[in-house]
Amino acid sequence: QSVLAQPPSASGTPGQRVTISCSGSYSNIGKNLVYWYQNLPGTAPRLLIYDNNQRPSGVPDRFSGSKSGTSASLAITGLRSEDEADYFCAAWDDSLSGRVFGGGTKLTVL
Amino acid sequence: EVQLVESGGGLVQPGGSLRLSCTASGFTFSNYWMGWLRQVPGKGLEWVAIIKQDGSEKYYVDSVKGRFTISRDNAKNSLYLQMDSLRAEDMTVYYCGRDWGEYWGQGTLVTVSS
Repeated sequence: QSVLAQPPSASGTPGQRVTISCSGSYSNIGKNLVYWYQNLPGTAPRLLIYDNNQRPSGVPDRFSGSKSGTSASLAITGLRSEDEADYFCAAWDDSLSGRVFGGGTKLTVL
Repeated sequence: EVQLVESGGGLVQPGGSLRLSCTASGFTFSNYWMGWLRQVPGKGLEWVAIIKQDGSEKYYVDSVKGRFTISRDNAKNSLYLQMDSLRAEDMTVYYCGRDWGEYWGQGTLVTVSS
């Protein structure tokens, strides 16, 4: 049972816009910054979003993050086949004194 | 160019120990939080342990508290993870990461088996 709740799956067709939600509580998302990762099996996760809505250099602007209250979202526009991967949200949790992840959302590009 | 190179993984029996190392280059190591992350099959991602720039703060995921110890040597640009009392469920690839993971090492595989 992950501290942050994500839908287990999402899907879209090429060119579509897809959003992935991440729900937490005051002690994590409510008070702290949110991070998003793209993960492919057998590889290190790729940081897509940091500090709620900032993109590291090299991450396309098709990826965007937002936060409201105790929830956050990752939006992907202009969906591409190479976007098919697992996506995870993360945040610091004050109650647990640790970094916590969501359970991950498997994105399928139909 | 930022580089993180892990070493120290391998095969160990249940209850045994391993020490992972991560050597950093291409940035001022002492300016960053560092951490170890693992991918747990069927459970997703897990920040195993993180350590503040000067080593004064360390945080661990509950499942490794009392068994794993994170440390760093800023003079050697190196991060370590001492893993004791290893269990089958610790078996996976461990990644060394800078801060929240803008950069990662290539990963090192820990196999726990008799």
